[in-house]
Amino acid sequence: NAGVTQTPKFQVLKTGQSMTLQCAQDMNHNSMYWYRQDPGMGLRLIYYSASEGTTDKGEVPNGYNVSRLNKREFSLRLESAAPSQTSVYFCASSEGTSVVYEQFFGPGTRLTVL
Amino acid sequence: GQQVMQIPQYQHVQEGEDFTTYCNSSTTLSNIQWYKQRPGGHPVFLIQLVKSGEVKKQKRLTFQFGEAKKNSSLHITATQTTDVGTYFCAGSRNSGGSNYKLTFGKGTLLTVNP
Repeated sequence: NAGVTQTPKFQVLKTGQSMTLQCAQDMNHNSMYWYRQDPGMGLRLIYYSASEGTTDKGEVPNGYNVSRLNKREFSLRLESAAPSQTSVYFCASSEGTSVVYEQFFGPGTRLTVL
Repeated sequence: GQQVMQIPQYQHVQEGEDFTTYCNSSTTLSNIQWYKQRPGGHPVFLIQLVKSGEVKKQKRLTFQFGEAKKNSSLHITATQTTDVGTYFCAGSRNSGGSNYKLTFGKGTLLTVNP
């Protein structure tokens, strides 16, 4: 099992460009999440999907959109990138139905917006 | 909204010394999780605490959940160079269902001098 995979691993954008970050999990998990990590800020939740067909805003949703394409895949889109969106983006998933809601993280996408 | 504060932000120790990081929430938590992130890596789940006053041990790591379920700590005995990384606490107020959201502390970066 690959666990949680993310593409791309690295990306450089110019201000105003758009892009989609891809995430997939092969653990049959119900819930999926997108976080951003900035130095000294910990992990902040952008959007999450409790189950296939649902998405909800997290702590910092402005400038982002998401799509839960199916149970496996959860994508994050930047429509018009800004330098403030330079960050490391992590996708995560969790079973969402058992007692221990452990989250499994992907390797991250390191995004730079010039 | 819910806030989770974590101290200290940084801790440098000599190998063999003990280390403790503390986590405090502005609200009562239903559970708290701890994650470790190695430099350049992604967060990896360590443990979840659910019960008031709970104490769990994993080899040299001891995790505690406060009686009021608003604070937690992670203590490492006799640190080793393999303990290097950032330790995050993450709390949730949700008690069930698949819409499980975590609020992460900003983390404590531990460095160990061999």
